[in-house]
Amino acid sequence: GENVEQHPSTLSVQEGDSAVIKCTYSDSASNYFPWYKQELGKRPQLIIDIRSNVGEKKDQRIAVTLNKTAKHFSLHITETQPEDSAVYFCAAGGINNNDMRFGAGTRLTVKP
Amino acid sequence: GAVVSQHPSRVICKSGTSVKIECRSLDFQATTMFWYRQFPKQSLMLMATSNEGSKATYEQGVEKDKFLINHASLTLSTLTVTSAHPEDSSFYICSASPGSYGYTFGSGTRLTVV
Repeated sequence: GENVEQHPSTLSVQEGDSAVIKCTYSDSASNYFPWYKQELGKRPQLIIDIRSNVGEKKDQRIAVTLNKTAKHFSLHITETQPEDSAVYFCAAGGINNNDMRFGAGTRLTVKP
Repeated sequence: GAVVSQHPSRVICKSGTSVKIECRSLDFQATTMFWYRQFPKQSLMLMATSNEGSKATYEQGVEKDKFLINHASLTLSTLTVTSAHPEDSSFYICSASPGSYGYTFGSGTRLTVV
């Protein structure tokens, strides 16, 4: 099955700086890579996703890159704001959640 | 967008009792739903895959007799924690996929067993 590793586990940045979170996966058959933001006690919210036929995707301040050869993908948040503070999870698997596995999470703190 | 409703949001029960958690897809049909458990400051761990009209598929290490899953319709899956113990206290969350858009999570259920 799929195994996803995520780094770093905690990340602290100053407001306005960029934040990068990296994940690796093991199953070359995985073709869907979503990123979720989870605030304390709430459900994870999908913030961006990428499919295996795309190398990069951007949505305003958030971007995700995928390197299928190396089996790693990254989340980039630019111009961070305090409200970006949360736990971020990467995941990898099939597009319909078959064998979807989550990374351990990254607790991002944006200091004002 | 796709909405998954989960109830209750919080439940406190006595040790030895059973608790049922419901997960509903509100605006789409879901032949498959997924149940996760999340301990404090940890990631989401897949417990089981709920299949409409057939038996659920459990992940290794998850007791199927303790965590009963029923997926009786295309919009409803239930997770029953039987004979709950304090170590079962956790955040339980379901998800379902509306199709080619990945999947959506329910709001989660915080279970506390006293």
